[in-house]
Amino acid sequence: DAKTTQPPSMDCAEGRAANLPCNHSTISGNEYVYWYRQIHSQGPQYIIHGLKNNETNEMASLIITEDRKSSTLILPHATLRDTAVYYCIVRDLFTGGGNKLTFGTGTQLKVEL
Amino acid sequence: NAGVTQTPKFQVLKTGQSMTLQCAQDMNHNSMYWYRQDPGMGLRLIYYSASEGTTDKGEVPNGYNVSRLNKREFSLRLESAAPSQTSVYFCASSEANGQNTIYFGEGSWLTVV
Repeated sequence: DAKTTQPPSMDCAEGRAANLPCNHSTISGNEYVYWYRQIHSQGPQYIIHGLKNNETNEMASLIITEDRKSSTLILPHATLRDTAVYYCIVRDLFTGGGNKLTFGTGTQLKVEL
Repeated sequence: NAGVTQTPKFQVLKTGQSMTLQCAQDMNHNSMYWYRQDPGMGLRLIYYSASEGTTDKGEVPNGYNVSRLNKREFSLRLESAAPSQTSVYFCASSEANGQNTIYFGEGSWLTVV
């Protein structure tokens, strides 16, 4: 699975959009981009995933560049409860062996008043 | 819905002692996983079971054994605990392969003294 690079930390004002970048310059054609977050050492929580088209769900939007070498997770109206570590993960769904994910160190997002 | 349930939540062991972490899921998932997370780091895969009856090593399997008891349950055993195994352990489950979300338990905090 491709390696990802994320900034170690970011701050965001409550109510503003939080834009979390991820670089995955070695991504291959079969690899999806997944985002998970971990609040306060709880178990990680799925947010969103995509292949090449932009995706949106009730939690967030995922913007993937046309060359697929980078992506941005957007939390449109961040709240204090969105303070968490956000993990960007790239995974080839066709390698078999279950659905295992390889986690990096993620981005610590701090949402402040 | 219980989801993924891990026991115990907290445990202190002496070096050389053995113990088993239990994990059960009620989502009828085929695949199950054990991860560990050390302070300030991302999760690392210890072992996984792509389907009932199979287990495979992940990134950091040394010092651990696993048993896929049935479709619901996947246990992690430390035969002779070492201080380096002090960590937070997360069990997870998902449908096998495809774009399926992984669901995590709340974690088990293990300290080896």
